[in-house]
Amino acid sequence: DTAVSQTPKYLVTQMGNDKSIKCEQNLGHDTMYWYKQDSKKFLKIMFSYNNKELIINETVPNRFSPKSPDKAHLNLHINSLELGDSAVYFCASSQGQVRNSPLHFGNGTRLTVT
Amino acid sequence: SQKIEQNSEALNIQEGKTATLTCNYTNYSPAYLQWYRQDPGRGPVFLLLIRENEKEKRKERLKVTFDTTLKQSLFHITASQPADSATYLCALGSGANNLFFGTGTRLTVIP
Repeated sequence: DTAVSQTPKYLVTQMGNDKSIKCEQNLGHDTMYWYKQDSKKFLKIMFSYNNKELIINETVPNRFSPKSPDKAHLNLHINSLELGDSAVYFCASSQGQVRNSPLHFGNGTRLTVT
Repeated sequence: SQKIEQNSEALNIQEGKTATLTCNYTNYSPAYLQWYRQDPGRGPVFLLLIRENEKEKRKERLKVTFDTTLKQSLFHITASQPADSATYLCALGSGANNLFFGTGTRLTVIP
């Protein structure tokens, strides 16, 4: 009965490859997010979707493309992977605005680019 | 751009004592502030939310204060236990959906 689930948990790949991370939430929330946590544990928002509509798109290379097929899923596709993309990627969800409803995070996908 | 600093990267405290973690911010006027707990290999878990018009919030052994004049939030864990050992993150927001996180303080409660 995991609330926010991400797959895979670990992803090791070579530079130049294309990879995807999937996220699903069963909380019935209408807003989903992707966050990136770097090696210094700094957590930074990348994207936010509300009811399948993109509402936040921070300064992220356009090699990163989120896709939300429905409001329970938000996938992240990364093209032409670079060494600097190595990090832990967290999916999260909230019901409505985060000013009223806290974030529920998945357990992360550790991406290692070699 | 906004800057969020959490007092120390690591804090060790004896079991039973009160742990106090600090979150300072500059170049920002948040309307609300949240605290999260993160265990190794896991995602952050929400603990408390406090808004700019609230001075203090409590939940069981946890207490959060929010001083918009000092631009600071304090997070207290009373009667700390080894199970409280984790990294604690503060997160600030003013808009509808964007939260800015601090880098966290790793708390270790020593038995």
